[in-house]
This record gives sequence, structure tokens and C-alpha cells, in this order.
Amino acid sequence: QVQLQESGPGLVKPSETLSLTCTVSGGSISSYFWSWIRQPPGKGLEWIGYIYYSGSTYYSPSLKSRVTISVDTSKNQFSLKLNSVTAADTAVYYCARSHCSSTSCYRYAFDIWGQGTMVIVS
Amino acid sequence: QTVVTQEPSLTVSPGGTVTLTCASSTGAVTSDYYANWFQQKPGQAPRALIYSTSNKHSWTPARFSGSLLGGKAALTLSGVQPEDEAEYYCLLYYGSAQLGVFGGGTKLTVL
Repeated sequence: QVQLQESGPGLVKPSETLSLTCTVSGGSISSYFWSWIRQPPGKGLEWIGYIYYSGSTYYSPSLKSRVTISVDTSKNQFSLKLNSVTAADTAVYYCARSHCSSTSCYRYAFDIWGQGTMVIVS
Repeated sequence: QTVVTQEPSLTVSPGGTVTLTCASSTGAVTSDYYANWFQQKPGQAPRALIYSTSNKHSWTPARFSGSLLGGKAALTLSGVQPEDEAEYYCLLYYGSAQLGVFGGGTKLTVL
């Protein structure tokens, strides 16, 4: 079955760039939307943005100026870059896949999630 | 700014029935909001339960159901099990902005 695994530094200094990669195993990255979602300690979920396997992206308006999501289909990976980070960006970062049926894709129906990776900005 | 509101906490007895709701600051929630529901237990990643208001994933237990109720999206648990104790998040899709917004979550206690 399809599995997602986040990887990247667990500690980032303020004002620097947070960089994470999500590796997709057990299936192809093609024909799906792929998202990044975060959760500050003790708080709720926040959608960051998504990328289609072809490379088209859409970002949360609140983070749009600082976010870049990219895809590498040859490696079955997609990545997140968040620049100019502050302590408010400290969170568990999840990657997730959007659910697609035989006829439609539901961009925000995140059916498969990675285990999450904690990133501390300090 | 669009706000999605859920009950902060609910308590239900084992075997009972409970309904969690998800409201939008923009008005009544309809099928056009493609409501999603996720379950999260402590220390775990969220797990998808319901998409597009009422559709279950292949792994969603039969006791979970999604609907629209009184202008809100709703998640009903019938015959609650102790393992259903968790945080539940809804997500609504705002088509005009192509934006998905999570609710703040409902902490469900089974007691």
C-alpha cells in the first residue's frame, strides 16, 4: 500500500528556510494532488498547500508569500520550502495525498498521511 | 477571514450515539463544501474518515456517518466504542477561493 515519509531537519534557526521532503512509496506520485499540512504543539491542523504531480501548485493565502512546494516525479518525492521562519512555524509537518476515485479527485480529502515530522524553530 | 467552528469537546457513553458538527462563518454548509472528517489520536497522524459530506473511505467503520444537519456538516458515531476517544477535525472546501479550511477540532471523550 502507499506510504508517505517526511524527512528533513528537526531544528531550524529563525529567519532561515525550513526544507522538508516527502517520499512516496508503494505507488506512483502521478495523477494525484499532494499536500503539506502542519500542526503546532497542542493546536489544530493547518493546510499549507498542495501540488499536482504535473507541477501546478496552490498555497494557503496566509503562507503564500513564504511557501514553495515542488515535485520530483523521477524520485517519487515532493518537497516543502518555507522561508523566513519564526517560532510560530514550530509544528509537526505532515505530507498527505488527496483521494481520487475513478472519476474525480477531491483535493482536500487527504486519505493517506505521513507520520509527521516535528520542526522546531529556535 | 473564514472560520470553521466545531464543538470544543463532547462526552459520550460507550454504546451511545453522538453527533459532532462543523459550521462555517460564511453561512449554511451545503454539499458544495465537500466536508471532510478526520480522526486524530494522541501522538498519531490524522486518519481520514469521511469525504464529500457522506462518503466513507474503505477503512471507515460502519458506525461513522457523515451528513448535513441544520446548516452544518455533521459526523455521527453510533454505538460508540472506547477506541473512538480522539480529536475529530472537519475540513470545508471554499470553492470560490479554492481553499480548504480546517475546523478547530472536537475532543471526544468516551466515558
